[in-house]
Amino acid sequence: GNSVTQMEGPVTLSEEAFLTINCTYTATGYPSLFWYVQYPGEGLQLLLKATKADDKGSNKGFEATYRKETTSFHLEKGSVQVSDSAVYFCALLGKGGGADGLTFGKGTHLIIQP
Amino acid sequence: DAGVTQSPTHLIKTRGQQVTLRCSPKSGHDTVSWYQQALGQGPQFIFQYYEEEERQRGNFPDRFSGHQFPNYSSELNVNALLLGDSALYLCASSRSALAGAFFGQGTRLTVV
Repeated sequence: GNSVTQMEGPVTLSEEAFLTINCTYTATGYPSLFWYVQYPGEGLQLLLKATKADDKGSNKGFEATYRKETTSFHLEKGSVQVSDSAVYFCALLGKGGGADGLTFGKGTHLIIQP
Repeated sequence: DAGVTQSPTHLIKTRGQQVTLRCSPKSGHDTVSWYQQALGQGPQFIFQYYEEEERQRGNFPDRFSGHQFPNYSSELNVNALLLGDSALYLCASSRSALAGAFFGQGTRLTVV
């Protein structure tokens, strides 16, 4: 079945540091890949997505590239801010018509210190 | 655009009771999915509704059931509640099954 593995947290960084959150996946065929962010007490917000190999998703300074050869979709940001503190979830949507729902990783708690 | 709205925001139920959670999808969206998020975990797919029918379900028992109405809104019902059903229940809507889903704020269910 489908699965997503992302790095354990919490990840603690200083403001303006470079961020990488690793995500690898297992799926049949070529799924669509997503990063969602969850701020305290809120639901999930779609951060970015990529639907085919070598696509790069980007939003709010965050980027992730769909790497088929390494089955990865690592999240990066060049300079983090305190407001980026949240839980980040990597997810995939299988190509089985999409009706099997999103498969999520366990989440990575990011803490940015001023 | 109100986005995806869920009600209630919080709920406390006693073990063995039944609960109904409600979701209104984002305007223009016809597909609704439900997820269970336990504390400190990623969301787990419960099931998805499209054209008022359940299209697929995850690994959840029959105690979990749902419904989609002609206006695309949806309900999640859980019977015979267990302590382990305590979680944040998230509703997500999309324009199609393959599009990125938009999530509501969730309903925090506590079973005591």
